[in-house]
Amino acid sequence: DIQLTQSPSSVSASLGDRVTITCRASQGIATSLGWYQQRPGKAPELLIYLASDLRSGVPSRFSGSGSGTDFTLTISSLQPEDFGTYYCQQAHSFPRTFGQGTRVEIQ
Amino acid sequence: QVFLQESGPGLVKPSETLSLTCTVSDFAMSSTYNWGWIRQSPGKGLEWLGTFYHGGTAYYNPSLVSRVTVSLDTSKHQFSLRLTSVTAADTAVYYCTVGPNLYYFDFWGQGTLVTVSS
Repeated sequence: DIQLTQSPSSVSASLGDRVTITCRASQGIATSLGWYQQRPGKAPELLIYLASDLRSGVPSRFSGSGSGTDFTLTISSLQPEDFGTYYCQQAHSFPRTFGQGTRVEIQ
Repeated sequence: QVFLQESGPGLVKPSETLSLTCTVSDFAMSSTYNWGWIRQSPGKGLEWLGTFYHGGTAYYNPSLVSRVTVSLDTSKHQFSLRLTSVTAADTAVYYCTVGPNLYYFDFWGQGTLVTVSS
């Protein structure tokens, strides 16, 4: 199985801050990576696929980059609705696997 | 609009079979969609269980392949999860998912908590 390691495990930032989350894969996965946001008590929501493609309806302050083993999710200007836990997911091979999550808190 | 709703017992006894159903909106029953299940527990995070591909093939997590089955009933707008021989480690929130491809999980149900306990 492909292991995904996210860092940091949690981040606390102020409104308007730039927030960056990284995801490292245990082997190369090209650009087969997605990012999800999960708010407390809710299901995860897909934000980005193919490492950098923004899903329709997702605010443009979210962006993704990377290929191979190293990936980044960036929130350019943190908004109140951006709190929650963010997960990366590899789509390169079965079984599909997720990172352990990064909790984003608003200061 | 895509709507999904999980249903099933919230409590299952050890060694018994966990059965959940996901009821989906008309759009989500499109013949080009794929239907699957993911669970989330504090200990193991998000875990993909399996996906029923619209072409008729089911893909399962190798760690569960001997115990898990995903099946489809288009006439009822439903698909199901069956997990046999459950233990406390199977306690989790179970989500049904649908999407237009096998790679990402575009739409999710609200999730249902299943506890394995005697």
